[in-house]
Amino acid sequence: NAGVTQTPKFRILKIGQSMTLQCAQDMNHNYMYWYRQDPGMGLKLIYYSVGAGITDKGEVPNGYNVSRSTTEDFPLRLELAAPSQTSVYFCASSYSTGRGDEQYFGPGTRLTVT
Amino acid sequence: ELKVEQNPLFLSMQEGKNYTIYCNYSTTSDRLYWYRQDPGKSLESLFVLLSNGAVKQEGRLMASLDTKARLSTLHITAAVHDLSATYFCAVDGGGSNYKLTFGKGTLLTVNP
Repeated sequence: NAGVTQTPKFRILKIGQSMTLQCAQDMNHNYMYWYRQDPGMGLKLIYYSVGAGITDKGEVPNGYNVSRSTTEDFPLRLELAAPSQTSVYFCASSYSTGRGDEQYFGPGTRLTVT
Repeated sequence: ELKVEQNPLFLSMQEGKNYTIYCNYSTTSDRLYWYRQDPGKSLESLFVLLSNGAVKQEGRLMASLDTKARLSTLHITAAVHDLSATYFCAVDGGGSNYKLTFGKGTLLTVNP
């Protein structure tokens, strides 16, 4: 199993540009998550999904959109990029079929908006 | 709103010494997770604690959970350089959506 994969690893965007961060998992997990990590701030939840076709906002959803058309994929869309979106983005997934289902994280995407 | 506080945020220690990282949280929960992050890398799961009094150990690390005090500890025994990393605790706020709230992390540096 590849686990959770993310592309690209690095990206530089100009202000106002748009892009999609890709996330895929091959563990047949129902739950998937997007976090951003800023220096010294821990991880903040952007959006999450409990299954194909079902998504919901997390703590910091503004400026982002998601979709979940398949169990495997959970892309994150940035519209009109702003410098405040400079961050490291992590995708994660979990089983969610019982208690204590830890989240498995992808390698991250480092995004710079200038 | 669930708040998770870790302390210390920075910890520099010598090899061979013992120390404890504390994780306090603000709401009733009996599901707490510890993760490790190496510089520039992703997060790796260390421990899953699912009930009051739960204790897990792996090598030089031991984690415990006191749900009544809303406190988890990560104890480091006889630290070695390889333990240098950032350690995060994360709390599941309850319900069925498995959303985690993370602490800010503790940057641990183990010096020879």
